[in-house]
Amino acid sequence: KQEVTQIPAALSVPEGENLVLNCSFTDSAIYNLQWFRQDPGKGLTSLLLIQSSQREQTSGRLNASLDKSSGRSTLYIAASQPGDSATYLCAVHSGGGADGLTFGKGTHLIIQP
Amino acid sequence: KAGVTQTPRYLIKTRGQQVTLSCSPISGHRSVSWYQQTPGQGLQFLFEYFSETQRNKGNFPGRFSGRQFSNSRSEMNVSTLELGDSALYLCASTPGPEETQYFGPGTRLLVL
Repeated sequence: KQEVTQIPAALSVPEGENLVLNCSFTDSAIYNLQWFRQDPGKGLTSLLLIQSSQREQTSGRLNASLDKSSGRSTLYIAASQPGDSATYLCAVHSGGGADGLTFGKGTHLIIQP
Repeated sequence: KAGVTQTPRYLIKTRGQQVTLSCSPISGHRSVSWYQQTPGQGLQFLFEYFSETQRNKGNFPGRFSGRQFSNSRSEMNVSTLELGDSALYLCASTPGPEETQYFGPGTRLLVL
């Protein structure tokens, strides 16, 4: 059974810093990995999708990497802004698809102005 | 394009009642998935529909059921509600399986 872990659970940094969020998964047989952000009381916003054959994806100040063999992904946020404050969730879509997306518990990020 | 819409946004029910939640996917998307989010368990997969057929099902009791219509709209039903069913229920749509999932705002269900 696929398990996804996100470290750290919470992070608070001053505005302007570059930061890295970590995600690990136990079963490397995945179709893809997706990073989301969730604002309080809201749904999820898709940030980046990395297919299993890819090593990284970039969108603006965000860069996500995938190392399938070691079961790890990182989300790099450059020049953080207060508007980046949210919970960031990592989700994997495993081979066989029997479980849909498997989510980590998220990293609660606060960017201090 | 309009995003994923879910109705109702908020719902209060009592134990033993049943509830039906609705999800309208992004136009052109044929796959709809449902998830339950609680503070303790996080986000858990309920089921996925593609072209009116249930493709996958998560580890939830039979009280949780769903269906998808020919226009790709989906409903989920929870019968004999329990206090533990209080959660945010999220719907996601994709053009097809294994593609980027786009989430709706969710329906917040409170069971008293």
